[in-house]
Amino acid sequence: AQSVAQPEDQVNVAEGNPLTVKCTYSVSGNPYLFWYVQYPNRGLQFLLKYITGDNLVKGSYGFEAEFNKSQTSFHLKKPSALVSDSALYFCAVRDGERGTYKYIFGTGTRLKVLA
Amino acid sequence: NAGVTQTPKFQVLKTGQSMTLQCAQDMNHEYMSWYRQDPGMGLRLIHYSVGAGITDQGEVPNGYNVSRSTTEDFPLRLLSAAPSQTSVYFCASSYSDSPNQPQHFGDGTRLSIL
Repeated sequence: AQSVAQPEDQVNVAEGNPLTVKCTYSVSGNPYLFWYVQYPNRGLQFLLKYITGDNLVKGSYGFEAEFNKSQTSFHLKKPSALVSDSALYFCAVRDGERGTYKYIFGTGTRLKVLA
Repeated sequence: NAGVTQTPKFQVLKTGQSMTLQCAQDMNHEYMSWYRQDPGMGLRLIHYSVGAGITDQGEVPNGYNVSRSTTEDFPLRLLSAAPSQTSVYFCASSYSDSPNQPQHFGDGTRLSIL
């Protein structure tokens, strides 16, 4: 069965500092991993995805994520946080096993960037 | 190109009433899905569809029906509203059911059941 965990409900970081939002996953087949961001009263917006290949994936707004197969993790990172990065972040996983059609989302991590 | 459009944006119902949440996409996407978002629980999949005429249950399907008569539309029906169905509902679509496809989300319907 697929599952994804975001162990932190909230992450606080000072503006200009690096940020990390954590995600771990479990799938039967090859993992397809996604990060989304949600601003107040809006739907989720796609940030980046890992399919295969390089373990460091670059996405929108200067975000990147590091895939670690041995630790089954896919942490979201940014070298220098902005106040405008404050939002709710969701990790999602899709099992690549044939016949599996469901995306599973984590519970979300609220990022607060302090000026 | 409007993307994924959900209507209404807000709705208040009384217990026992029925209603349909509308979702339409203009991107010719094959895969569509409905989620509910509740505090501390993230997004939970209600129903999904991999193409017109094909639907299947997600994680929390009880109390909800869907149909997919066209590629564009994927309405969600609440059969007899209950207070436990108070939530924010999101519709999403992706180009295909291939696992490498990200989803495009609507802005949600905020539903309160009294």
